[in-house]
Amino acid sequence: EDKVVQSPLSLVVHEGDTVTLNCSYEVTNFRSLLWYKQEKKAPTFLFMLTSSGIEKKSGRLSSILDKKELFSILNITATQTGDSAIYLCDAMGENDMRFGAGTRLTVKP
Amino acid sequence: KAGVTQTPRYLIKTRGQQVTLSCSPISGHRSVSWYQQTPGQGLQFLFEYFSETQRNKGNFPGRFSGRQFSNSRSEMNVSTLELGDSALYLCASSLQGQGINSPLHFGNGTRLTVT
Repeated sequence: EDKVVQSPLSLVVHEGDTVTLNCSYEVTNFRSLLWYKQEKKAPTFLFMLTSSGIEKKSGRLSSILDKKELFSILNITATQTGDSAIYLCDAMGENDMRFGAGTRLTVKP
Repeated sequence: KAGVTQTPRYLIKTRGQQVTLSCSPISGHRSVSWYQQTPGQGLQFLFEYFSETQRNKGNFPGRFSGRQFSNSRSEMNVSTLELGDSALYLCASSLQGQGINSPLHFGNGTRLTVT
């Protein structure tokens, strides 16, 4: 059965720390992996990864995909309190889409 | 461009009742997907509509149904409500839909409480 597992489920850090969020997936006919940030209600799109080994970067956030080992990581450097949110990983297959349970990140001042 | 709009924002119903939630996608988006989000289960896929046809369906009972209109607006209906149906229901639209490398744009959701 298709599944997506995120770890850790919860993380508390201080401003300035670097964090790495993990997402492993098993999806039939995998097409792409997407990361979303959910602060209050609506998740917002961060990255879409389709190729292995190619890092996507946006400011302090970066992400990479390993299609051989079936995982992705999301890195956030120099964290700020505004990074506090739930980070969702979404693995898209040909006919299915699976979200992980999310990682709740709390950044303390 | 207006974002995805969901109505109502909040809803309180009692067990056994039925409820209809509405979602207006971003203009030009033909795919609308629905998700249930609960603290313990995360984001669970309900179904996806594309051009008025249900294209994919998650593992939810038949009490959960939906439809899409010719203007791409979608409604989700839950009949015979149970306490466990209390959740945040999120709608998302995309250009091409699920599985076609098309990011989702989410609405702010409808918070349903069943008492």
